[in-house]
Amino acid sequence: AQSVTQLGSHVSVSEGALVLLRCNYSSSVPPYLFWYVQYPNQGLQLLLKYTTGATLVKGINGFEAEFKKSETSFHLTKPSAHMSDAAEYFCAVTFNQAGTALIFGKGTTLSVSS
Amino acid sequence: AAGVIQSPRHLIKEKRETATLKCYPIPRHDTVYWYQQGPGQDPQFLISFYEKMQSDKGSIPDRFSAQQFSDYHSELNMSSLELGDSALYFCASSPTTSGVSYNEQFFGPGTRLTVL
Repeated sequence: AQSVTQLGSHVSVSEGALVLLRCNYSSSVPPYLFWYVQYPNQGLQLLLKYTTGATLVKGINGFEAEFKKSETSFHLTKPSAHMSDAAEYFCAVTFNQAGTALIFGKGTTLSVSS
Repeated sequence: AAGVIQSPRHLIKEKRETATLKCYPIPRHDTVYWYQQGPGQDPQFLISFYEKMQSDKGSIPDRFSAQQFSDYHSELNMSSLELGDSALYFCASSPTTSGVSYNEQFFGPGTRLTVL
C-alpha cells in the first residue's frame, strides 16, 4: 500500500522568503512522486515529478524537489516566494503501472504576505 | 498542446437524479482515471481504465459506474444522487509509449457537480 503525509496543512511565508512544503511517503515498491498545485476553483496543475534518475527535480515556476529514499521524503522548495504562489499544494505517489491510482496527501495551503 | 477535456464543466442536479460526466483524454493517451474532490478535501481516486478495460478501482460507490469507449473517451455515470456527491470530479489521462507507462497523469479542468 502507498500513502503520503504532508506535514503542515497551512504554511505562511513573506514574499521573497524561502518556501518549504514537506512530503513524506510510504511505498512498498519504487515510488513515482508528484507535486501538484491547485488555485481556487481550478484544476490540478503538475509542478514537477520524480520517476527515475536524478533525485533533484526542477519544475515550473522556480519550484524544485529532492527525492530522498533514506528519509522517504520529497519536499518541495522555492528560493523566493511570490504572491502568485499562494495556492493549495498536493503531494502524490503512485508507481509504474498503467492505470494505477495517484494517492494524494491532504494538501498544504501556502499563503504569501507582502 | 491538447489537454484533457471534460464536459460539462458545471452540473446542477436534484437528489435521486442521474448524471453523466464525460472525459476526452489527450490524443494517444490510452489510460483514463476519475477522481472526486470534496470541498476542502484532497482528490480521491474512483476508477481507472487502461485500453478500455477497468484497471484499478478505488472508493467508487455502487451507484456510480464508468466505462471507456473505443475512441478512449470515458463516461462516469452517477445514479440516485445524494447531497454528499456534490464535488469536483476530475478526469486524468496518461500515455503508454512502447509498452511503458510512466503513469504521469494529466488532469482535466474538472466538472463541478452540485446536488440540491
